[in-house]
Amino acid sequence: QKEVEQDPGPLSVPEGAIVSLNCTYSNSAFQYFMWYRQYSRKGPELLMYTYSSGNKEDGRFTAQVDKSSKYISLFIRDSQPSDSATYLCAMSEGQGAQKLVFGQGTRLTINP
Amino acid sequence: GAVVSQHPSRVICKSGTSVKIECRSLDFQATTMFWYRQFPKQSLMLMATSNEGSKATYEQGVEKDKFLINHASLTLSTLTVTSAHPEDSSFYICSARVGQGLPETQYFGPGTRLLVL
Repeated sequence: QKEVEQDPGPLSVPEGAIVSLNCTYSNSAFQYFMWYRQYSRKGPELLMYTYSSGNKEDGRFTAQVDKSSKYISLFIRDSQPSDSATYLCAMSEGQGAQKLVFGQGTRLTINP
Repeated sequence: GAVVSQHPSRVICKSGTSVKIECRSLDFQATTMFWYRQFPKQSLMLMATSNEGSKATYEQGVEKDKFLINHASLTLSTLTVTSAHPEDSSFYICSARVGQGLPETQYFGPGTRLLVL
């Protein structure tokens, strides 16, 4: 079993739709949870990060962490064609811990 | 934000040759840099963690003699793929961490696409 599981998609939705992206994990020691966006043939860029459980909102993006279920989500509201990319979740065990463990990434396409 | 560059962005080489990839932090000092490999439609897999002035720490299953990492300064780390073979063809991405910060303070380079013929 992989430490982090993420549905690779592809996921295709119409412009303006609400997108839900999810990851599950098995390592209960994970404390930090990140979402990265990666455009084709580019390096990942950090979208959002959260510590422990709860919600965090930044503009059209909302990240949720449910540690009891070992489940994290990223919601994108009012999706735009420019949001089309691969979204990767990543996790780390804690402050000072260096290793990020990534999910497989979900390829998302927003259709105009 | 912090900027990380990689050079070259793409390289094609013959089987058996060695290839060097550079990773630079442009506007900050990075005591720790990381090297990842990403195969098509797959996730980033950490290969090694590189600390300035010391030997790199390799992940299980990564051959240290094949993937040589040097971190000679606070702004430069290099990955050399020695005696490259077609199965080494992949997207290599480095990241650099700002100070002793939280995990989210890793900044990624744009990646280097390696094709071994």
